[in-house]
Parts: sequence; C-alpha cells; structure tokens
Amino acid sequence: NAGVTQTPKFQVLKTGQSMTLQCAQDMNHEYMSWYRQDPGMGLRLIHYSVGAGITDQGEVPNGYNVSRSTTEDFPLRLLSAAPSQTSVYFCASGTGYNEQFFGPGTRLTVL
Amino acid sequence: GQNIDQPTEMTATEGAIVQINCTYQTSGFNGLFWYQQHAGEAPTFLSYNVLDGLEEKGRFSSFLSRSKGYSYLLLKELQMKDSASYLCAVRGEGGGSYIPTFGRGTSLIVHP
Repeated sequence: NAGVTQTPKFQVLKTGQSMTLQCAQDMNHEYMSWYRQDPGMGLRLIHYSVGAGITDQGEVPNGYNVSRSTTEDFPLRLLSAAPSQTSVYFCASGTGYNEQFFGPGTRLTVL
Repeated sequence: GQNIDQPTEMTATEGAIVQINCTYQTSGFNGLFWYQQHAGEAPTFLSYNVLDGLEEKGRFSSFLSRSKGYSYLLLKELQMKDSASYLCAVRGEGGGSYIPTFGRGTSLIVHP
C-alpha cells in the first residue's frame, strides 16, 4: 500500500497562474481532506469530502476548488494563484472513525 | 464551532518527562487526537481518546477529561528525536465534523 500520495512535492507559481495539486489514496477511505499549514497557524481545513461525489467547504475555502469523482482521488485546484496561497498543503484520508493518514505535503510558493 | 488551545513552545531535557496540555471548546465531541510532526514532514498519528481517562502507549500517554474540555500528552524518557511539533485535534459530531479541527501545535525542543 502506498497510503496517501501527493504530487508535486514542490511548486513555484506566478501570481494569476492556475494549477492542480494531486492527492490519491489506496486505502478505500471515504473521508478525504485538504489542509494548509502556515507558520504559527497550525493545520487549517480548506475542503473535505465524505465520499465520491460529495464535497464541502472547510475553514479557508476561498480561492480553491475540489472535486471527488472517485474514492481514490481528491485534487485541489488553485484557480488564480495569489501570494497569500504560499503554504504547505497536506492531503489526508480516513474512515471517519479513527485517525487520518497524511500525505507527504506539497510546498507551494506563489511569486 | 471549535476552539483549541495549546502552548506554543516547550523545552525539556533529554531523559525527563514533559506534559503538553490541550484545552478545547466544542459544540459536540467525538474524540481527541494527538499527532507528532517533525520539521518538514507530515503529521503522524500518536493517540486517540474518546472516553475519559489515560491511554498509555510505550513512552507516550494521553489523558482526556470531557467534562473539563482538557487533554494532555505525556512523554516519558525524552529522547532528542522527540523534538517536534505536537498537534492536538478535536472531532465534532456528524457530517463534516468528523474531520478533526487542529490546534496550532506545540513545538517541543529537547536539549541534552
């Protein structure tokens, strides 16, 4: 089992560019979520999904879109990147009953 | 909503014991998690408490008091590799509340 995988590991964007952060899990977990982590701010929830076809907003959803067409994949789209979106992004998955498993993270810089 | 508080930073000596506290306020409660995160890495699961009391796992123990909205993580026989950030996370009830809300984390520095 690969667990939770994320690509890319690092990314540099210019303001206004768009991109998709990929996340996949092979544990058949229903729950998937995207967090961003900034210094001193902890992990903040961006969007989450409780199953294929179902997504909802978290604490900081503005500027991001998600979709969940399969159980395995949960991509995060930045529509028009801004410097305020410079952060480390973590994807996580779980059953909803026990712990979440985190991917290795994507380090994004927006210039 | 949920509000989670934990100290920003703590220091301790190798071989000692350290207790990291977490207080929370939540409209519904369905469990509290502790995660460890080393610099530049992803969080990894340490413990899960849903009932009051102490859960022990080797050098690490976690305690929960639901009536007080309080938890602590106890680390014994500290090692240098325990230098990391420790994240407290609370799960609410129903729907998206099953996704935990995280505190800001406690950075633990272990020195010789």
